[in-house]
Amino acid sequence: DTAVSQTPKYLVTQMGNDKSIKCEQNLGHDTMYWYKQDSKKFLKIMFSYNNKELIINETVPNRFSPKSPDKAHLNLHINSLELGDSAVYFCASSQLAGALGELFFGEGSRLTVL
Amino acid sequence: GEDVEQSLFLSVREGDSSVINCTYTDSSSTYLYWYKQEPGAGLQLLTYIFSNMDMKQDQRLTVLLNKKDKHLSLRIADTQTGDSAIYFCAENPSGGYQKVTFGTGTKLQVIP
Repeated sequence: DTAVSQTPKYLVTQMGNDKSIKCEQNLGHDTMYWYKQDSKKFLKIMFSYNNKELIINETVPNRFSPKSPDKAHLNLHINSLELGDSAVYFCASSQLAGALGELFFGEGSRLTVL
Repeated sequence: GEDVEQSLFLSVREGDSSVINCTYTDSSSTYLYWYKQEPGAGLQLLTYIFSNMDMKQDQRLTVLLNKKDKHLSLRIADTQTGDSAIYFCAENPSGGYQKVTFGTGTKLQVIP
């Protein structure tokens, strides 16, 4: 069983389009995250939700809109895609109340904007 | 912004030891972590150290923490080709919600 799963794994689209990436975790964690990894492998947090509530919102263009229908799901919708949005987007989850705070990552969704 | 710095690349021969260094920024971090990312995969927690420790050993892995200098290192003994990956250090500031900040990543290449 995959603990954190994201779809799609690959996404190729044109500038200006709107796309979504979905994430689901079956670990029973309270908190989910979206991270962006650029071509140099730098990893930056974008958003975090705890029990469907937005708790971290980094300086991200408002073209990016996360949605958490329940605590096991966190989706990312991107409007009016730009070339600079090309990256690998990772979903992750953790148990907020846990002492260690280990992050469990999905396999990533590689977005290419042409 | 705050940056957690690592050297970008390290190449070692199979069987040698690898040492990956990291300089972090937040002295209040409770936990410091090492994550491993294999090609085409997400990150996985490799090991961690609590901020009140100087050293932690876990089989082939040794983590050293110098809080005064905010320096963290990961030593891999008897490095194997399967250790080839990108290694990220990360810090988790204490208090409030988790906002783990990752280092810039070190790509480890193991030469057979």
